[in-house]
Amino acid sequence: QVQLQESGPGPMKPSQTLSLTCSVSGGSINSGGFYWSWIRQHPGKGLEWIGFIYYRGTTYYNPSLKSRVTISVDTSKNQFSLKLSSVTAADAAVYYCARESGYNYGFDSWGQGTLVTVSS
Amino acid sequence: SSELTQDPAVSVALGQPVRITCQGDSLKTYYASWYQQKPGQAPILVIYGQNNRPSGIPDRFSGSNSGNTASLTITGAQAEDEADYYCNSRDSSGYLALFGGGTKVTVL
Repeated sequence: QVQLQESGPGPMKPSQTLSLTCSVSGGSINSGGFYWSWIRQHPGKGLEWIGFIYYRGTTYYNPSLKSRVTISVDTSKNQFSLKLSSVTAADAAVYYCARESGYNYGFDSWGQGTLVTVSS
Repeated sequence: SSELTQDPAVSVALGQPVRITCQGDSLKTYYASWYQQKPGQAPILVIYGQNNRPSGIPDRFSGSNSGNTASLTITGAQAEDEADYYCNSRDSSGYLALFGGGTKVTVL
């Protein structure tokens, strides 16, 4: 069974670039048909999809964040990553990585989430 | 359209059925998936596609679709079903993943 684990920074300051990595175990990130996503949840709020990378490297980002987001994959390490530039307090949230086992099949595997705080 | 709308909260007596709905124009084209989230935990997929349950999800969870509305039904709600439930689908472009605002289910 595939497992996902996020790792990321300590507290962030406004204007910095957030970098998060999702390590995948129990399966290859290079296996066909999977979409690897980043999703965030502001405290006490709902879920917001940030973007995905398809195993072949195709990406798609939420238009509301597109200008600041980059998602990449490192198949040699079985990891995929999120970079979010110019963070503000509005980017403080729990960030999840998740796998979709096919187009619109639902996110069937999630990391445990990592809390990102932004404060000056 | 780029919105999925859910009722904020619903309560159900122990052992009774409860239905949670999700409305959005894109649901006329794309199936919804449903997630259960308990405090401090990551969401868990409970329904995807037309009405499919991942391994390990009890059969008291079921999904249905009609027009612009997707529904999640819990037949015989249990105390452990008390949680937030989110629907998820695509927008009309087919790329952007959308989530509903969530429904808090309270089991009385």
